[in-house]
Amino acid sequence: DIQTTQSPSSLSASVGDRVTITCRASQSIRSYLNWYQQKPGKAPNLLIYAASSLQSGVPPRFSGSGSGTDFTLTISSLQPEDFATYYCQQTYSTPPWTFGQGTKVEIK
Amino acid sequence: EVQLVESGGGLVQPGGSLRLSCAASEFTFSSYDMHWVRQATGKGLEWVSGIGTAGDTYYPGSVKGRFTISRENAKNSLFLQMNSLRAGDTAVYYCARGDTMVRGRYYYYYMDVWGKGTTVTVSS
Repeated sequence: DIQTTQSPSSLSASVGDRVTITCRASQSIRSYLNWYQQKPGKAPNLLIYAASSLQSGVPPRFSGSGSGTDFTLTISSLQPEDFATYYCQQTYSTPPWTFGQGTKVEIK
Repeated sequence: EVQLVESGGGLVQPGGSLRLSCAASEFTFSSYDMHWVRQATGKGLEWVSGIGTAGDTYYPGSVKGRFTISRENAKNSLFLQMNSLRAGDTAVYYCARGDTMVRGRYYYYYMDVWGKGTTVTVSS
């Protein structure tokens, strides 16, 4: 199975900061990488699919990049509503489609 | 509004069974793949099953042989039959819709609509 590893596991940042989260796959997954945001007690919400495509309704301060094994989620200017946990997910080839372990973004 | 609503969670003893349901609304249910994803308290997301539009099913090794995913398109419903339940199956179970975007000659897959989840607790 393809494994995905996120870093860091958590980070502290201030409103207005630029935040970068990385996801590394255990083998090349081309651009088959999605990003989700999850707030406490809520379901995950799709932010980015196919590594860099912004889901409808998601603010443009969120962006994704990368291909192959290394991917990045960037929040250009952190807003109060962005404090949450972020997960990457690979959907390369056939299942299982694994998630990263998550990155918790906390208020500094 | 496109919506998924899970039900059927509860407390079950180890070794017992439970059947989860997911009711879909405001989209053509039969045209989409569907999935179950779970999350233990304080832990990350774990994909636990998927079913295609043709009824093809997929499972990770952790639940294969114990869980069965199915769908009833006429009732816009998704199901997860869980047998031989273990303490490690305790989690919130979400149903999610799978969708595809075509870019060039590649088909990119993602889960774009999620329910609020139903809680399964396996304990004696």
